[in-house]
Amino acid sequence: EVLLVESGGGLVQAGGSLRLSCAASGFTFSNYAMTWVRQAPGKGLEWVSSIGGSVTNTNYADSVQGRFTISRDNSKDSLFLQMNSLRAEDTAVYYCVKGGGYGTYYFDYWGQGTLVTVSS
Amino acid sequence: EIVVTQSPATLSLSPGERATLSCRASQSVNNYLVWYQQKPGQAPRLLIYDASSRATGIPARFSGSGSGTDFTLTISSLEPEDFAVYYCQQRRNWPLTFGGGTRVEIK
Repeated sequence: EVLLVESGGGLVQAGGSLRLSCAASGFTFSNYAMTWVRQAPGKGLEWVSSIGGSVTNTNYADSVQGRFTISRDNSKDSLFLQMNSLRAEDTAVYYCVKGGGYGTYYFDYWGQGTLVTVSS
Repeated sequence: EIVVTQSPATLSLSPGERATLSCRASQSVNNYLVWYQQKPGQAPRLLIYDASSRATGIPARFSGSGSGTDFTLTISSLEPEDFAVYYCQQRRNWPLTFGGGTRVEIK
């Protein structure tokens, strides 16, 4: 069974930092691209960042470029999102999601999400 | 950036009725269009990928069609558990983009 368990969310002041983690199990982690998707309260889904299975390619939404860094540790089946210079508009539930196939970016498994609240 | 637009914003239907949801991309995404379902308090669930391929475990009443810029998600006969919000997503180009969602509510 595929499981994705996020942690690291919480309340932080504007300008602060947080590091989200996602522990993956039930599949060969290194074979799949991984992604962070967020959802502001009462709003729709927003893609944040993706990383390929081999770690060599990363992509970011313009809204987080230069402030967020995605990374992974394939030896520990873990995905991370380092978030710096946080803004009120970064307040959202952050989902860790698994790519559906090798190198593909549709999302077949989602974690339960971790809430990040940025106070201004 | 490819803008993805969903319509209608809200669809009010009764159980047993047919639901037709639309998703339009601002430029061609070939068939790289994905549909998700989200219920309150839950993470989204993958329904359809690459425009028309049903994900594992998705009932046959859900079907997807379209290519290029215009896509449709059809629910042939609504079950009580199908009342939810549906999102489409293009994976043709970076940045990946989602539509704003269609809420299917009980009439």
